Amino acid sequence: AQKVTQAQTEISVVEKEDVTLDCVYETRDTTYYLFWYKQPPSGELVFLIRRNSFDEQNEISGRYSWNFQKSTSSFNFTITASQVVDSAVYFCALRGDSSYKLIFGSGTRLLVRP
Amino acid sequence: EAGVAQSPRYKIIEKRQSVAFWCNPISGHATLYWYQQILGQGPKLLIQFQNNGVVDDSQLPKDRFSAERLKGVDSTLKIQPAKLEDSAVYLCASSFTPTGHFNYGYTFGSGTRLTVV
Repeated sequence: AQKVTQAQTEISVVEKEDVTLDCVYETRDTTYYLFWYKQPPSGELVFLIRRNSFDEQNEISGRYSWNFQKSTSSFNFTITASQVVDSAVYFCALRGDSSYKLIFGSGTRLLVRP
Repeated sequence: EAGVAQSPRYKIIEKRQSVAFWCNPISGHATLYWYQQILGQGPKLLIQFQNNGVVDDSQLPKDRFSAERLKGVDSTLKIQPAKLEDSAVYLCASSFTPTGHFNYGYTFGSGTRLTVV
C-alpha cells in the first residue's frame, strides 16, 4: 500500500520566519516519484517540485528547499524567510511505479502573518 | 501554454439531481485524471484516462459516477443521482506521460466546486 502522511495540520508563523513542512511516505516500490503542490485560496493546485526515488540530492529554488531522505522515507519542504503570499495549503504526493495513482497527503495549512 | 480548463467553476444542486463537469486538458497531454477533493482533505483519484482508454477507475463510485473521454481530448464527469456526500471540489489534471512531466509534474485545473443541498 502507498501512503503519504503530513502530520502538521496547520502551521502559523510570522513573516520572515523559516518554516519546514514535513512529509513521510510509505511505498514498496523501488521506483517512485514524490511531489509537492501548493493550493492557494483560489483553489488550483500549483506544482512545486517532482523528485524521483533515485535522486536524493537536495534541491533549492529561491526561498524553497527540499530535503529528500530515503532512510527515513521523508521529503520535507522548507520555506526560508516566509512571506504572506506563501499562505496556502501545501500537499505532498507520491506516485509509485506499481500504480498510476498520485496519492496525496492530507495537506498542511500554512498561515504567514505580517 | 494554456492550462487545464474546467467548467463550470461552481455548481449547486439538490440531492438526487444530476450534474456534469467538463475538462479540456493541455494540448498534447495523453493522460487525464479526475480527482475529488473533499473539504480539509487531499485530492483523491477517481479515474485516469490514457488517450481515450480508462487506466484506473477503481475508486470511482460507478453506481452514480461516470466519465468519458471520447476523442482522447476533452472529458466529462457525471454524477447521477448526486448525494450530499458528493459535495467537493472536482479537479481535472493532465500530464504528457503517466509519470508526470519532469519539469511540471501533473497540471491541475482550477476545479469545479460542487455543493449538494
